[in-house]
Amino acid sequence: QKEVEQDPGPLSVPEGAIVSLNCTYSNSAFQYFMWYRQYSRKGPELLMYTYSSGNKEDGRFTAQVDKSSKYISLFIRDSQPSDSATYLCATAKTSYDKVIFGPGTSLSVIP
Amino acid sequence: SQTIHQWPATLVQPVGSPLSLECTVEGTSNPNLYWYRQAAGRGLQLLFYSVGIGQISSEVPQNLSASRPQDRQFILSSKKLLLSDSGFYLCAWSWGIGEAFFGQGTRLTVV
Repeated sequence: QKEVEQDPGPLSVPEGAIVSLNCTYSNSAFQYFMWYRQYSRKGPELLMYTYSSGNKEDGRFTAQVDKSSKYISLFIRDSQPSDSATYLCATAKTSYDKVIFGPGTSLSVIP
Repeated sequence: SQTIHQWPATLVQPVGSPLSLECTVEGTSNPNLYWYRQAAGRGLQLLFYSVGIGQISSEVPQNLSASRPQDRQFILSSKKLLLSDSGFYLCAWSWGIGEAFFGQGTRLTVV
């Protein structure tokens, strides 16, 4: 079993839709959870960072972590064409541990 | 502020030739450093991970190697490239709070 799993998509939604992106992980020792956005031919950029369980909101983006079910979610409200990218979830056991990435979900927001 | 430099941006190399990709980080000390590879349409595969000078952890058996001759310098090498080494190589750093910050990547094509 892979440590972090993610539906690769592609996911296609109309502009303005609410997008839900999800990951599952296998190791209950993971404490840090991140979401990255990667545009084509670019390095990933950090979007959201969460420690342990709970929600975190930043503008149109909300990250949720449910450690009881080992489930990570990213919600995008009022999606825009500029949100079209690959979204990768990532986890780490400690603040100094290696970061493990999911395979990414490709998202297209259609105008 | 911290910045990460990775070069070259693109590289075309013949099979059997050597490889050297360099990554440097500015604005921080004693970072964790990573080399990832991303094949077309796939997620990030962790290749090497370093917590300090001369300390390298290899995640995947392969004909690649990594070195960290200085605190903020990370080098990915190969003595003889294979066709299967083609991909998008990303250097990243993290420090203290789990998330990783990426360079812009090197697109390597082995012909």
